[in-house]
Amino acid sequence: AQKVTQTQTSISVVEKTTVTMDCVYETRDSSYFLFWYKQTASGEIVFLIRQDSYKKENATVGHYSLNFQKPKSSIGLIITATQIEDSAVYFCAMRGSGSFNKLTFGAGTRLAVCP
Amino acid sequence: EAAVTQSPRNKVAVTGGKVTLSCNQTNNHNNMYWYRQDTGHGLRLIHYSYGAGSTEKGDIPDGYKASRPSQENFSLILELATPSQTSVYFCASGDEGASNERLFFGHGTKLSVL
Repeated sequence: AQKVTQTQTSISVVEKTTVTMDCVYETRDSSYFLFWYKQTASGEIVFLIRQDSYKKENATVGHYSLNFQKPKSSIGLIITATQIEDSAVYFCAMRGSGSFNKLTFGAGTRLAVCP
Repeated sequence: EAAVTQSPRNKVAVTGGKVTLSCNQTNNHNNMYWYRQDTGHGLRLIHYSYGAGSTEKGDIPDGYKASRPSQENFSLILELATPSQTSVYFCASGDEGASNERLFFGHGTKLSVL
């Protein structure tokens, strides 16, 4: 069975600084896919970034990047130059490559970016 | 832009009553999903579908049924609602295995069972 754990319940940072959110996962699949989603205050959930397990390069999209440490089963989300509008709940998720593996989400980390 | 629309946005139901949550997607995605969100649990998968006519059980299917009458529509049915089903429900669509695989979510339905 798959499992995704986000140990940080909430984080508070000052605007324009860098924040890292942790995520560890468990899977028996040799190939898998890792995702981060963002839930805004309005409740909207949007996709941010993805890392495929076979790729050694860390994914980067805008001011979001990933710290993929495969031996540690860890996929951290790094947000650089944080903005007030980055305040949200961030979910880590994974899907094994098997046909019947669905997306499994972590419990989420609430980020507050303060001026 | 891909679109997933849920209705209703809010629902108050009585214990033992029947509740139907509806979802429509214009993305032409094969796969659709129903999740519930509760504090401390993130998003948990209830039912999903690979296409019209198919429904599959997710991780927490007990007390729920699903229906996929067409590519565009996917419903979640609570035949006998209970207070423990009070939650926020999200519908999503997506295509697994695609190079740009990701889920597109609806805005959620807040259900209160009294």
